Amino acid sequence: GENVEQHPSTLSVQEGDSAVIKCTYSDSASNYFPWYKQELGKGPQLIIDIRSNVGEKKDQRIAVTLNKTAKHFSLHITETQPEDSAVYFCAAKMGFQKLVFGTGTRLLVSP
Amino acid sequence: DAGVIQSPRHEVTEMGQEVTLRCKPISGHDYLFWYRQTMMRGLELLIYFNNNVPIDDSGMPEDRFSAKMPNASFSTLKIQPSEPRDSAVYFCASSFGGLSNQPQHFGDGTRLSIL
Repeated sequence: GENVEQHPSTLSVQEGDSAVIKCTYSDSASNYFPWYKQELGKGPQLIIDIRSNVGEKKDQRIAVTLNKTAKHFSLHITETQPEDSAVYFCAAKMGFQKLVFGTGTRLLVSP
Repeated sequence: DAGVIQSPRHEVTEMGQEVTLRCKPISGHDYLFWYRQTMMRGLELLIYFNNNVPIDDSGMPEDRFSAKMPNASFSTLKIQPSEPRDSAVYFCASSFGGLSNQPQHFGDGTRLSIL
């Protein structure tokens, strides 16, 4: 079935450390993988996305890697800051326009 | 530029009442999506429209739920009659050209509580 597994569910790091969130997906035809950040009382906001024709994409302190063979992708945040604290969701495109979301990772960055 | 606008931001009503949630997509976007977010089920797609036409409503939980898009700048999600298990945060999102072209942009949601 259509499924995206996300780990860990919670992640606590010290300011300046790196954070890594991992996701696996079920549909081998998936070719688009966005990551969203959701702050309290707000909607999910896109922070980075990757398509299946590349293995890695970087935007300043954020990077995403994709392993299509293993059907998993990861979000890497370096030099974390307290304002990075939020819930992060991975997603995979399944079907024509459908995004299936992971269950979310609550990231807490302590000063 | 204005993002996706949803109203109301909060809605509290008694079970059995009709609830109408509203969404204004980003101007020029031709896809509109309705999602529901709960602790138990996470973020799930209910229905999406392309050029105001419903394309996939397989995520709509029951006949009590209906969605319309009368024009390119307005959509509604209606629940009638409402039940306590409908309590959730409902998000609207829009995109231009679909996922092959552009990402989805989300509104800030409507927090719905059915008593």
